[in-house]
Amino acid sequence: GQQVMQIPQYQHVQEGEDFTTYCNSSTTLSNIQWYKQRPGGHPVFLIQLVKSGEVKKQKRLTFQFGEAKKNSSLHITATQTTDVGTYFCAGQDYNAGNNRKLIWGLGTSLAVNP
Amino acid sequence: KAGVTQTPRYLIKTRGQQVTLSCSPISGHRSVSWYQQTPGQGLQFLFEYFSETQRNKGNFPGRFSGRQFSNSRSEMNVSTLELGDSALYLCASSFLNGGEQYFGPGTRLTVT
Repeated sequence: GQQVMQIPQYQHVQEGEDFTTYCNSSTTLSNIQWYKQRPGGHPVFLIQLVKSGEVKKQKRLTFQFGEAKKNSSLHITATQTTDVGTYFCAGQDYNAGNNRKLIWGLGTSLAVNP
Repeated sequence: KAGVTQTPRYLIKTRGQQVTLSCSPISGHRSVSWYQQTPGQGLQFLFEYFSETQRNKGNFPGRFSGRQFSNSRSEMNVSTLELGDSALYLCASSFLNGGEQYFGPGTRLTVT
């Protein structure tokens, strides 16, 4: 079945270091969404990427969508303690037609040492 | 706009009982999705409703069911509760089915 693999599962960094999480899909995606869930909170929508090769930035966060629309990455430059949380990706299967079910990665939990 | 609301926020039930959780989406959103979240298991998709119709369903047993009303509010029901059903149940609304999800705070269900 359709799968979105997200790596790494956990990442521990020193404050100021960079961080990257990757999502890889077994099928071509129509789009990919990224969410952040703070400890004790609920997932919050960050961004959606739609175009092949698309790159979007939000301050220290850089999101990329692969040329083949099968993978994506989220890169955080110079992490801060406020970046702590779990980052999820979710994509829609391009071949699913009107069935726009989101396929979720299992998330990457980021811990930042001050 | 008011965000997604879920009631109740916390619930303790006994094995074998049933439970109904409620979700009110953001005004104007017609899609409501439900997720189960347990430690280390990410977000497990339960089902999605759009305009009162179930559009997608996850791999959960038939004990888990849901519905959506004409005002887009949604409920999910779990019958014959098991210990393994203890989890955070999250509801998310979106303007389109499969669109960007806006999550509620969740209902923390504990089954004893």
